[in-house]
Amino acid sequence: KAGVTQTPRYLIKTRGQQVTLSCSPISGHRSVSWYQQTPGQGLQFLFEYFSETQRNKGNFPGRFSGRQFSNSRSEMNVSTLELGDSALYLCASSSTPAAEAFFGQGTRLTVV
Amino acid sequence: AQTVTQSQPEMSVQEAETVTLSCTYDTSENNYYLFWYKQPPSRQMILVIRQEAYKQQNATENRFSVNFQKAAKSFSLKISDSQLGDTAMYFCAFYTGANSKLTFGKGITLSVRP
Repeated sequence: KAGVTQTPRYLIKTRGQQVTLSCSPISGHRSVSWYQQTPGQGLQFLFEYFSETQRNKGNFPGRFSGRQFSNSRSEMNVSTLELGDSALYLCASSSTPAAEAFFGQGTRLTVV
Repeated sequence: AQTVTQSQPEMSVQEAETVTLSCTYDTSENNYYLFWYKQPPSRQMILVIRQEAYKQQNATENRFSVNFQKAAKSFSLKISDSQLGDTAMYFCAFYTGANSKLTFGKGITLSVRP
């Protein structure tokens, strides 16, 4: 069974641009969550989707948005990038929200 | 609000020895799940062990076991027979259906010395 796949793995963007990150969950998993990891703030929750519905959203500005498609694949978008958005973005999938979460290898976003 | 505290930023252990990583949490929920995740230098988060709060028996996975003290809100991870491949950052995490998210501690960097 293939694991959680995140694309791209690395990304360099300029301040003010926007970016879209993609996450393909493990086959059969319907819950997808996103986390931001930085050295200063650690791991912070961004969103959780289950069956195309956003069930929870973390304390991030409206520039951060996401969605989930009918095949459970998920995307997150960050508009008007700031230097502070530089981070490792991790996606996790699980069969149900309370089941074990399996993480992808992350997308390393650098904003210059 | 749920919080997870890992007070030790880093630890070091000799290969083949046993080490215990501490974690405390705070919640008013009665039904929740606790996890330990490992993040090696590759940055891939790997689930080490999972504990359901309603289960009194401590979870065990090969060389990894937990000491779950629900009343004290403590959830420590014991690694027996430490191996070089255990060198990684370890995160304690908490999940409740009410919030539908994992809340992570700050993590602890574990180094296994040869």
